[in-house]
Amino acid sequence: DGGITQSPKYLFRKEGQNVTLSCEQNLNHDAMYWYRQDPGQGLRLIYYSQIVNDFQKGDIAEGYSVSREKKESFPLTVTSAQKNPTAFYLCASSMQQGYTEAFFGQGTRLTVV
Amino acid sequence: RKEVEQDPGPFNVPEGATVAFNCTYSNSASQSFFWYRQDCRKEPKLLMSVYSSGNEDGRFTAQLNRASQYISLLIRDSKLSDSATYLCVVNMGTNAGKSTFGDGTTLTVKP
Repeated sequence: DGGITQSPKYLFRKEGQNVTLSCEQNLNHDAMYWYRQDPGQGLRLIYYSQIVNDFQKGDIAEGYSVSREKKESFPLTVTSAQKNPTAFYLCASSMQQGYTEAFFGQGTRLTVV
Repeated sequence: RKEVEQDPGPFNVPEGATVAFNCTYSNSASQSFFWYRQDCRKEPKLLMSVYSSGNEDGRFTAQLNRASQYISLLIRDSKLSDSATYLCVVNMGTNAGKSTFGDGTTLTVKP
């Protein structure tokens, strides 16, 4: 089945640690995105990528990093510089950036302990 | 002013009611529009695209008003299972950048 897969579903991190969230898609989509959602809030864009080896900062990129070495994969690293990383992280992909509809993975719930 | 604005609600309606949500956007160059549904602690899922001519899918009707820069979602004969948060999405077009999500409107349908 085609889709977008995020792992892990739940992640616990100690303060000061970097963690990497995985996002893989087999939809052959060019564009991929990372969003953050806090309880009761909307989605905020962290990073997005239109093509392999290219990505752009979104609205809240500070404390995060990404890579796009393969079309299928867009991992997000939450660094120790992110002051309040506890949130629900959603990865999405779309055929064309900024035009076609996006499809989401099931999300990763990150908690700092 | 936010690029995309929605009434957060909550909208509390009885089963069988008709309910409508609006979503306004600020950039007149916006190209494409969508409604998503998000259940509690789940990912958003595409509900329907929004076209200038309007489109209907069962009990759901979406409309776009470019002149007034808003999109709407109408739900007829509400079901308990319609309870969710509804997000509108506005896209600027290919290569022009990101999709912009509204913060969502929460709907609770009660027996």
